[in-house]
Amino acid sequence: AQSVTQLGSHVSVSEGALVLLRCNYSSSVPPYLFWYVQYPNQGLQLLLKYTTGATLVKGINGFEAEFKKSETSFHLTKPSAHMSDAAEYFCAVSPSYNFNKFYFGSGTKLNVKP
Amino acid sequence: DAGVTQSPTHLIKTRGQHVTLRCSPISGHKSVSWYQQVLGQGPQFIFQYYEKEERGRGNFPDRFSARQFPNYSSELNVNALLLGDSALYLCASSPGSIIRGNQPQHFGDGTRLSIL
Repeated sequence: AQSVTQLGSHVSVSEGALVLLRCNYSSSVPPYLFWYVQYPNQGLQLLLKYTTGATLVKGINGFEAEFKKSETSFHLTKPSAHMSDAAEYFCAVSPSYNFNKFYFGSGTKLNVKP
Repeated sequence: DAGVTQSPTHLIKTRGQHVTLRCSPISGHKSVSWYQQVLGQGPQFIFQYYEKEERGRGNFPDRFSARQFPNYSSELNVNALLLGDSALYLCASSPGSIIRGNQPQHFGDGTRLSIL
C-alpha cells in the first residue's frame, strides 16, 4: 500500500529564509512524485514532479525537490521565501505500477513572516 | 484556454439527501478524477474516469458514484448524505487514460459541500 507522510503540519519561516517542507513515501517500487500548492478556496496547482531521470527537479516559483531513493524522500525547498509563498503544500505519489490512483499527504501550511 | 470548471461552487444539503456535482475538464483532456478533501486533510482519491469508463476507485462506499459523458465532462453523485460527507470536492483532468508522470493532473477550484 502507498502512503505519504508530510512532517510538520505547520511551518513558519521569515521572508528571505530557506523553505524546507518534508515528504516521505512508502512504496516497494519508486513511484512518481509530485508537489502541489493550494491557496485558500482554490484547487491545487502543480509545482513540480519527478518521474525518472535527474533526481533534482526544478519547478515553478523557484521551488525544487530532490528524490532520494535510499531515504524514500522528496523534500521541497526554496532558497528564499516570499510572502506570496504562504499557502498549503501537498506531496503526492502515483504508483508506477498502477497509474490510476493518486495519493496525497496531509499537507503542510507554510506561514511566511515579514 | 479555460481550466477545469466545477459547479456549483458551494452547496448546502441535509442528511439523507443526494447531491450531484459537475465538472468540465480542460479542452482536449479525456480523463477526469474526483477527490474529497475534508477540512485539514489532503485530498482523498474517489474515482478516475476515461472514455466514459471507470478506471480507478478509492475506498469510498457505494453511495458515491460517478459518470463521464461523451464530451468528457463528469458528474459525481452522492446518495444518503452523511455529516461526514461535508468536504471540498475536487475534480482534476489530464490528457490520457492513465496518470503518467508526464501528464499531471489539473485541478478545478472545487465544490464546497456542507451537510447540515
